[in-house]
Amino acid sequence: NAGVTQTPKFRILKIGQSMTLQCTQDMNHNYMYWYRQDPGMGLKLIYYSVGAGITDKGEVPNGYNVSRSTTEDFPLRLELAAPSQTSVYFCASSKRWDRGQGEQFFGPGTRLTVL
Amino acid sequence: DQQVKQNSPSLSVQEGRISILNCDYTNSMFDYFLWYKKYPAEGPTFLISISSIKDKNEDGRFTVFLNKSAKHLSLHIVPSQPGDSAVYFCAASGGGGSNYKLTFGKGTLLTVNP
Repeated sequence: NAGVTQTPKFRILKIGQSMTLQCTQDMNHNYMYWYRQDPGMGLKLIYYSVGAGITDKGEVPNGYNVSRSTTEDFPLRLELAAPSQTSVYFCASSKRWDRGQGEQFFGPGTRLTVL
Repeated sequence: DQQVKQNSPSLSVQEGRISILNCDYTNSMFDYFLWYKKYPAEGPTFLISISSIKDKNEDGRFTVFLNKSAKHLSLHIVPSQPGDSAVYFCAASGGGGSNYKLTFGKGTLLTVNP
């Protein structure tokens, strides 16, 4: 049982390049999330999904896109990379929300640098 | 506008003593609170949570206290161990139909000295 996996672990992009951060979970969770963490800051929600085919914006969605075609996968797309997108990106998943079961399981993160 | 605040960026304690990490929130709609622990180069891992209908929740060495009137919660670790050295994030959810979305504080770096 791998939990939440993310690839790649590290990536350096040039300004204007595009890339997709991959996220897969094997816990059959309905809910999935993308966060970014800037140095000295907390995690900020970029996008989330409550099930296959359903996505919605979080707190900081500009410059990103997502899709959710299967329960397992939730890729995050950066179309035109900018230095402001230099950050550590975390994917997370959770069961359908229920009081007392709000735990989100996080992947190990992708460290992205845009130069 | 920071809705979840952890005002202490760092905390250092001796092994065996109590660690107290604090968290304040401003949104009165929050009704579920969680603490996450994060080691370097890893994702956050869930530690303990508390619903707003309670004022205390205990799990082994970890206890979370909630003071709703003060909009304040704290995490107590007793006794502290060197392996507890990590960044601790406070998170909150609640309000409206999107109650599964978490709002995180900036984190507190706990160092437990042997």
